[in-house]
Amino acid sequence: GENVEQHPSTLSVQEGDSAVIKCTYSDSASNYFPWYKQELGKRPQLIIDIRSNVGEKKDQRIAVTLNKTAKHFSLHITETQPEDSAVYFCAAISGGGADGLTFGKGTHLIIQP
Amino acid sequence: KAGVTQTPRYLIKTRGQQVTLSCSPISGHRSVSWYQQTPGQGLQFLFEYFSETQRNKGNFPGRFSGRQFSNSRSEMNVSTLELGDSALYLCASSLVAGGPSGNEQFFGPGTRLTVL
Repeated sequence: GENVEQHPSTLSVQEGDSAVIKCTYSDSASNYFPWYKQELGKRPQLIIDIRSNVGEKKDQRIAVTLNKTAKHFSLHITETQPEDSAVYFCAAISGGGADGLTFGKGTHLIIQP
Repeated sequence: KAGVTQTPRYLIKTRGQQVTLSCSPISGHRSVSWYQQTPGQGLQFLFEYFSETQRNKGNFPGRFSGRQFSNSRSEMNVSTLELGDSALYLCASSLVAGGPSGNEQFFGPGTRLTVL
């Protein structure tokens, strides 16, 4: 089955700086890669996703890049704000969806004022 | 449009008991997936239901089961509860089942299960 590795587990950045979270996946058949943000005590919320036929996608301060050859994808947050503090999860799913979404272990992003 | 809802939000059970959790997907969504979230293991896929049929199943023992009704609402059941079953159980709904197009999954607030 799919295996998703996520780094770093904790990331502390100064407010206004950029943050980058990286994930690798093992199943070359995976073709959908969402990112979720989970604030303490709340549900995971989909913030951006990318499909395997696209190399990059942007939504305001958030962008995701995908390198299918290397089997890794990254989340980029620019001009970080205090409300960006949360745990971020990457995930992958294969075309058949046989194993559901496989999640990384999460990155705790801390925005320092 | 109302989001995904789950009931109950909190449950406390003792070892050996069984529990049933409920999930109502977003209106029009036909696929419901269940996940277990724990600090140690993170988010793990339990199973997915689509059109009242279990489509996929994760690596969990047979004590974990589920079903889906004709209105797409889903329930999951855990029998013979163990201490290690304490977790946040999340369901997610999507418009159609996972496939080549990969459809967005939207999560409910979860049910916090504590097994004593």
